[in-house]
Amino acid sequence: GAVVSQHPSRVICKSGTSVKIECRSLDFQATTMFWYRQFPKKSLMLMATSNEGSKATYEQGVEKDKFLINHASLTLSTLTVTSAHPEDSSFYICSATGPYEQYFGPGTRLTVT
Amino acid sequence: GENVEQHPSTLSVQEGDSAVIKCTYSDSASNYFPWYKQELGKRPQLIIDIRSNVGEKKDQRIAVTLNKTAKHFSLHITETQPEDSAVYFCAASKVGGGADGLTFGKGTHLIIQP
Repeated sequence: GAVVSQHPSRVICKSGTSVKIECRSLDFQATTMFWYRQFPKKSLMLMATSNEGSKATYEQGVEKDKFLINHASLTLSTLTVTSAHPEDSSFYICSATGPYEQYFGPGTRLTVT
Repeated sequence: GENVEQHPSTLSVQEGDSAVIKCTYSDSASNYFPWYKQELGKRPQLIIDIRSNVGEKKDQRIAVTLNKTAKHFSLHITETQPEDSAVYFCAASKVGGGADGLTFGKGTHLIIQP
């Protein structure tokens, strides 16, 4: 139990376009989900906390207008990277608060060309 | 905000020996300290966690110790095996059970030499 999925697993987009990443809790409801970013050989950095039915809370230094988060249901949160640039290329991982711990999704590898 | 320091960044041990990874944190309000194992390109996997009301926790070959006074916690892996090779991250948060965002350490690349 307590499975979190992400879609897509990999995406390549052109500079200036927008990309949407979905995070789903498959067998439990998650009022809180988190979005992390991980650069190659680096640690996970918390970007924002996504709460169902309310606005996301962003960490210092993360642009809310660039990284749009929508948590419209108890099983789905989306992250949209708007006007993507090559420096946004990274591994984006979501997690959801489950029964006992945070459960991580498999990650989305974003490459901006 | 919280700051988590992790050492060493790389640790190489002989198969069968023990490995110890250490972390310190800055926010005395933090009370939940999980450890994750991450293989290349995969999601982090929780291997053990400890809450602030406990000083030590053990699960087979893995143990974690916590010193709240000194604000440090450590991961101990005994009888290391090749499949233990991975990157290990410590983390801290104010609310246990995953209800709060995690602040991660920079990671330790553990290499088990055959």
